[in-house]
Amino acid sequence: GAGVSQTPSNKVTEKGKYVELRCDPISGHTALYWYRQSLGQGPEFLIYFQGTGAADDSGLPNDRFFAVRPEGSVSTLKIQRTERGDSAVYLCASSFGPADGYTFGSGTRLTVV
Amino acid sequence: GQQVMQIPQYQHVQEGEDFTTYCNSSTTLSNIQWYKQRPGGHPVFLIQLVKSGEVKKQKRLTFQFGEAKKNSSLHITATQTTDVGTYFCAGPGGSGNTGKLIFGQGTTLQVKP
Repeated sequence: GAGVSQTPSNKVTEKGKYVELRCDPISGHTALYWYRQSLGQGPEFLIYFQGTGAADDSGLPNDRFFAVRPEGSVSTLKIQRTERGDSAVYLCASSFGPADGYTFGSGTRLTVV
Repeated sequence: GQQVMQIPQYQHVQEGEDFTTYCNSSTTLSNIQWYKQRPGGHPVFLIQLVKSGEVKKQKRLTFQFGEAKKNSSLHITATQTTDVGTYFCAGPGGSGNTGKLIFGQGTTLQVKP
């Protein structure tokens, strides 16, 4: 596509529920990244995919967070047993490679109530 | 762990005045990237600097990478209201092309017309 597409744009969920956030990267971009951004802060790294594999998942805060990219294109970030502290904007980005500038999507604003 | 810090956190200028934001890393960087995020928007890639002492210009924006590759700056000449937003620097979070970027907390620029 023309840009990185993220759905939904907003998600409100109750504490303890499971959520899935989707990212559709730019066609041809083999590298895909998930970040999250809290108000007034810079983006915080979560995970980086090169193709189908997670090349670096060191930013995932705990085992409630998991991400997949089964066919090397669309990725899904999955959060189990959501907590209020998970509330943030989750940003997806893609690039041709890890040394290139990212193209970010518009993000999913997650609110856990 | 590795840290990327930016100063100032906020800057208010009169339209037409110049603006500079400074970025400092706790470690030597292989490259540094700059992003701009408009209010309510997502980060947009501006530029990447790779070489020690490199200077690049984009119209009224001048980017510098320090000789020691641990600091960088962004200077805007004669600010306009379209320059409003938060400017982030980001550097690789590890050796080689890890795909993980460490972002600074950003400098938010307000321009009074």
